[in-house]
Amino acid sequence: DGGITQSPKYLFRKEGQNVTLSCEQNLNHDAMYWYRQDPGQGLRLIYYSQIVNDFQKGDIAEGYSVSREKKESFPLTVTSAQKNPTAFYLCASSAPGQGAGNTIYFGEGSWLTVV
Amino acid sequence: EDKVVQSPLSLVVHEGDTVTLNCSYEVTNFRSLLWYKQEKKAPTFLFMLTSSGIEKKSGRLSSILDKKELFSILNITATQTGDSAVYLCAVRKNYGGSQGNLIFGKGTKLSVKP
Repeated sequence: DGGITQSPKYLFRKEGQNVTLSCEQNLNHDAMYWYRQDPGQGLRLIYYSQIVNDFQKGDIAEGYSVSREKKESFPLTVTSAQKNPTAFYLCASSAPGQGAGNTIYFGEGSWLTVV
Repeated sequence: EDKVVQSPLSLVVHEGDTVTLNCSYEVTNFRSLLWYKQEKKAPTFLFMLTSSGIEKKSGRLSSILDKKELFSILNITATQTGDSAVYLCAVRKNYGGSQGNLIFGKGTKLSVKP
């Protein structure tokens, strides 16, 4: 089945460690996104990529890094520079184009807790 | 600055009630407005609205957009406990915007009591 797969679902990190969240999609979508969600908050954009080998900072990119070496994959690294990384992370993808039928599809999310 | 504001932030109703969730926006390069339902994990898509005054309907849920007033509502009639969730409103900008192309509100947490 086509979809977006995020892993791991739950991750614990010690302070000072970098961690990488995986996001893979087989929807043949060009655009991919990483969002962060905190309790009582909406989704905030961390990074997005519209095409392979290109990505742009979102609203809260500090302390995060990404890569887009393959169309299917858009991993997010939470670095030690991110001061408050405990959150729910959602990966998403969408197809480009001008038609009104485009929507954005989400993965199941990854819960990151700093211990 | 682009913003999407949802109200109320939380709502408690009883089964059978009808609810209206609100979403207002101030976004440049508006393309469409989307509604999502989020229970525990990934948001699931409900509606996408691009034109004013055309109601989208799916079962007990319906939504409409007013592009003049920059406003959308999501109606749920005859609510059930399974409707309990956070409902997210998002505005999609035209492709190529410098901030990525989806701006989310904070969501409305709906709790339906038996």
